[in-house]
Amino acid sequence: QIQLVQSGAEVKKPGASVKVSCKAYGYTFNTHGISWVRQAPGQGLEWMGWISTEKSDTKYAPEFQGRVIMTRDTSTNTAYMDLRGLRYDDTAVYYCARAWIASDSLDIWGQGTMVTVSA
Amino acid sequence: QSVLTQPPSVSAAPGQKVTISCSGSGSNIGNEYVSWYQQLPGKAPKLLIFDNNKRISGIPDRFSGSKSGASATLGITGLQTGDEADYYCGTWDSSLSVYVFGPGTKVTVL
Repeated sequence: QIQLVQSGAEVKKPGASVKVSCKAYGYTFNTHGISWVRQAPGQGLEWMGWISTEKSDTKYAPEFQGRVIMTRDTSTNTAYMDLRGLRYDDTAVYYCARAWIASDSLDIWGQGTMVTVSA
Repeated sequence: QSVLTQPPSVSAAPGQKVTISCSGSGSNIGNEYVSWYQQLPGKAPKLLIFDNNKRISGIPDRFSGSKSGASATLGITGLQTGDEADYYCGTWDSSLSVYVFGPGTKVTVL
């Protein structure tokens, strides 16, 4: 069964960093990239960026450039999203989703990881 | 503020039809494929339609997608209570170099 399984909820202080993992099952990991999307409470979906699992190329949304780093580990079929300098408005559910290329539809989604930024 | 526009909500009785519009511009919908996502309450989004009008395997043909110019439409016929969800359109914006989502439309079954 093709699925993406994400790491558990996190609570972080303002200014800290958070690293969310996304482990792929049921398909060849390096045939599709991984996009990251977040959703603040009661709000819509916001695309953060995409990483090629084959070559590790990345494409970040401008508003996250310089604050986000996306990586992958092909030995464990896992993608990671590291967000630094956390602010209160970074409180959101973070999703990973499979996407062949950055501009492609997101066909398989992880279950989401709640990140709460609180002093 | 999204570059795509969707109505905040639509509603209809069970068995009826609803349509959800998604309007953009030439830098996104006008020249790119559109996808539609369904998000049930408390759940992760799920891809329903890709490449404007192709249904993902397992999605009933009650769901349909179309595109004309810089606008796209999702149609749901034979509305069921299980269809109550938020629906988002999504596409690539070549000017912004980002994947953009519409603000979402809440479907209510009366």
